[in-house]
Amino acid sequence: DIQLTQSPSFLSASVGDRVTITCRASQDITSYLAWFQQKPGKAPKVLIFGASALQSGVPSRFSGSGSGTEFTLTISSLQPEDFATYYCQQLNGYPRTFGQGTKLEIK
Amino acid sequence: QVQLQESGPGLVRPSQTLSLTCTVSGDSISSGGYYWSWIRQHPGKGLEWLGYIYNGRTAFSNPSLRSRLLISGDASKNQFSLRLTSVTAADTAIYFCAREGYSDSAPYYRVLDSWGQGIVVTVSS
Repeated sequence: DIQLTQSPSFLSASVGDRVTITCRASQDITSYLAWFQQKPGKAPKVLIFGASALQSGVPSRFSGSGSGTEFTLTISSLQPEDFATYYCQQLNGYPRTFGQGTKLEIK
Repeated sequence: QVQLQESGPGLVRPSQTLSLTCTVSGDSISSGGYYWSWIRQHPGKGLEWLGYIYNGRTAFSNPSLRSRLLISGDASKNQFSLRLTSVTAADTAIYFCAREGYSDSAPYYRVLDSWGQGIVVTVSS
């Protein structure tokens, strides 16, 4: 299975901050990576697909980059509604796998 | 706009079989290009991909659960189902159904773009 390792696991930040979350894959997954946001009691919501393409309706303060084995999700200016848990997922092979999550909390 | 809704029992006894159904509206599980998927989330933990059904009848399951997991579809009802045998407390989780397809816009990558709200399943005697 392709392992995805996210860092950090927890992140404390303030409204207006720029934050970056990293996802590392155990093997080359080219650009077959998506990022999700999950809020308590809700299903995950896709933010980014294809490593860097913004899903329709997602604010432009979210961006993704990377290819191969290292990827990043950046939020350029945190808004109150962005405090949530973020997951990466690889869609290069089966079984599909997710990172362990990054919980973004208000400082 | 596709919608997915999970249904099934919220409590299952250990060693019994968990059966869940996902009802789809706004799309057909028989339509090509979409993988109708199951994902679960253990309490306070991350996401685990369980498997999918394609074209309403071709299924693929996570090898870690393959001996206990069956995913099937009923095109006449536009539903797909999960059947997990010999459950233990380790199967206690929120179970989500979701649709994996190609993105609506370029670049055309696969993406889990629609999810059900999830159903909480507890395995306990």
